[in-house]
Amino acid sequence: NAGVTQTPKFRVLKTGQSMTLLCAQDMNHEYMYWYRQDPGMGLRLIHYSVGEGTTAKGEVPDGYNVSRLKKQNFLLGLESAAPSQTSVYFCASSLRRTNNQPQHFGDGTRLSIL
Amino acid sequence: EDQVTQSPEALRLQEGESSSLNCSYTVSGLRGLFWYRQDPGKGPEFLFTLYSAGEEKEKERLKATLTKKESFLHITAPKPEDSATYLCAVQAYSGGGADGLTFGKGTHLIIQP
Repeated sequence: NAGVTQTPKFRVLKTGQSMTLLCAQDMNHEYMYWYRQDPGMGLRLIHYSVGEGTTAKGEVPDGYNVSRLKKQNFLLGLESAAPSQTSVYFCASSLRRTNNQPQHFGDGTRLSIL
Repeated sequence: EDQVTQSPEALRLQEGESSSLNCSYTVSGLRGLFWYRQDPGKGPEFLFTLYSAGEEKEKERLKATLTKKESFLHITAPKPEDSATYLCAVQAYSGGGADGLTFGKGTHLIIQP
């Protein structure tokens, strides 16, 4: 039972490069989320999706784009990476909103922008 | 704006020494308060959800409680394997549909043998 799987686990980019982070869940969850975690700060929501083909902005969406073409996958894109985007990125999923279902997290992607 | 403040930032205990972690929150309407455990290099692992003041939940050496303004995570007779960062998060009712959690910065707990 894999749960939430994130790829890659580590990546180093140069300023201005682009990349896509992949999140896959095998729990048939409707909702998916992308967070970033920085030292001295709590996890912050970047974007989220309430179902296939839908996305919405969270607290810190600037510089990121997302897509949810399949229910099980949620992609986070950086079009032109900046040093301020150096962070650990976590994907999460939950069954639904209405029953206060907990969010289940992957083990993160550690991204460094030089 | 929803806010979550956790204290202390760090706590070092001897094995068997019980203590409590605090999570104070300000939210427009509380849908749920969540406790997670995070080990180094890993994602947050779900522990508890609390929905209303007065509610309590237990799991092994952990017990979470909730009031209208704060939550406590009580750790009874901790063992070294309880060492981790404990995160508190709230989910608010919001008409716009945002279901993301607002997290505190966490309490880094170390249990010494």
